[in-house]
Amino acid sequence: GAGVSQSPRYKVAKRGQDVALRCDPISGHVSLFWYQQALGQGPEFLTYFQNEAQLDKSGLPSDRFFAERPEGSVSTLKIQRTQQEDSAVYLCASSPSPRNTEAFFGQGTRLTVV
Amino acid sequence: GESVGLHLPTLSVQEGDNSIINCAYSNSASDYFIWYKQESGKGPQFIIDIRSNMDKRQGQRVTVLLNKTVKHLSLQIAATQPGDSAVYFCAEIEVKTSYDKVIFGPGTSLSVIP
Repeated sequence: GAGVSQSPRYKVAKRGQDVALRCDPISGHVSLFWYQQALGQGPEFLTYFQNEAQLDKSGLPSDRFFAERPEGSVSTLKIQRTQQEDSAVYLCASSPSPRNTEAFFGQGTRLTVV
Repeated sequence: GESVGLHLPTLSVQEGDNSIINCAYSNSASDYFIWYKQESGKGPQFIIDIRSNMDKRQGQRVTVLLNKTVKHLSLQIAATQPGDSAVYFCAEIEVKTSYDKVIFGPGTSLSVIP
């Protein structure tokens, strides 16, 4: 497709369950970002990849959060032992260069932990 | 205590009027700033950016003003249309060694009355 694709669009998880959220960036885009957006708030940075290298993971809230981009294209954000406070929209964005902040965002995955 | 983040500031304007959305930022060392538009169920979309050495920048129907003295940013939308209804975020850009990190503000909800 032409844009950033995220799947699933919606995910309901029982507390304690592990989840995996997928991001398909725009083909050829070097940079990939993950954000967490709580209801009524702005997105908060989670982590940044440049190709397959995870250069910044300072925004990951805890060691239950893990992200990977093994081949420098598709990325997966994994959350282990989900908790209610993990409920949020998880946004992925990609951009053609590290310095280009005109990144394109996906529609997000809405995670609800019950 | 109350979660301020759950109550987005809201601006209601009549179709055809001009809109002004304001933002206060915190980091005087930010290199530049971006305004994003986020429609319901979608990811943020880049509108316009402004470098910290500029006071004003114009785009198509939009103007961004930067006042570094009081750390204030505004977005003016001319002849507001129903399609402009969305949440608007200002963002500070922190230029790091290997990439530009986007730090989003809290957002303002714009509602256009037809």
